[in-house]
Amino acid sequence: DAKTTQPNSMESNEEEPVHLPCNHSTISGTDYIHWYRQLPSQGPEYVIHGLTSNVNNRMASLAIAEDRKSSTLILHRATLRDAAVYYCILRASGAGSYQLTFGKGTKLSVIP
Amino acid sequence: DGGITQSPKYLFRKEGQNVTLSCEQNLNHDAMYWYRQDPGQGLRLIYYSQIVNDFQKGDIAEGYSVSREKKESFPLTVTSAQKNPTAFYLCASMLLTGRGNTEAFFGQGTRLTVV
Repeated sequence: DAKTTQPNSMESNEEEPVHLPCNHSTISGTDYIHWYRQLPSQGPEYVIHGLTSNVNNRMASLAIAEDRKSSTLILHRATLRDAAVYYCILRASGAGSYQLTFGKGTKLSVIP
Repeated sequence: DGGITQSPKYLFRKEGQNVTLSCEQNLNHDAMYWYRQDPGQGLRLIYYSQIVNDFQKGDIAEGYSVSREKKESFPLTVTSAQKNPTAFYLCASMLLTGRGNTEAFFGQGTRLTVV
């Protein structure tokens, strides 16, 4: 399985942008990069995914490095409700597309 | 509304008892998954199923059992063989298309406590 590496924790001030990094140096050409977040005492929820190009949606932006060995989840204005654990995972295509493996993620704290 | 539902939200079990956690989805998803989460830790895979009547062990299957008799249901039984069952259990489902671009949906979790 291709693995990801994230910092254990990060802090951000409220209403400032947050850049959450993820390294995935062994990513294959058909692996998709997904981000999920888990609020306290809840199940994870999907945030965004991408393959090669940067992606934007109402929740966040995903910036993918040109060599695809790293990516960054961008929250444009952090709110207290964004305090959560953020998981960066890789999803394979083909025979391994069923795989859904999570690491420990990055715990984001938002300071009022 | 389509979604994935886990029940109950809280469950208490006496030592030596088996207990079954429910997971139901009406999203017509092929794959379903069970995870265990301990405080401050990530998600560890217990079992998964890609299709009805078939399932595979994950990383920590010992002391657990599952069934997949219907596409929409994937119950997890925590048996008395599981030595430390107190944890937060999460169920997920996902559509399989052969590409890695489908999102997984999670239930709200069941918090199991052994008393």
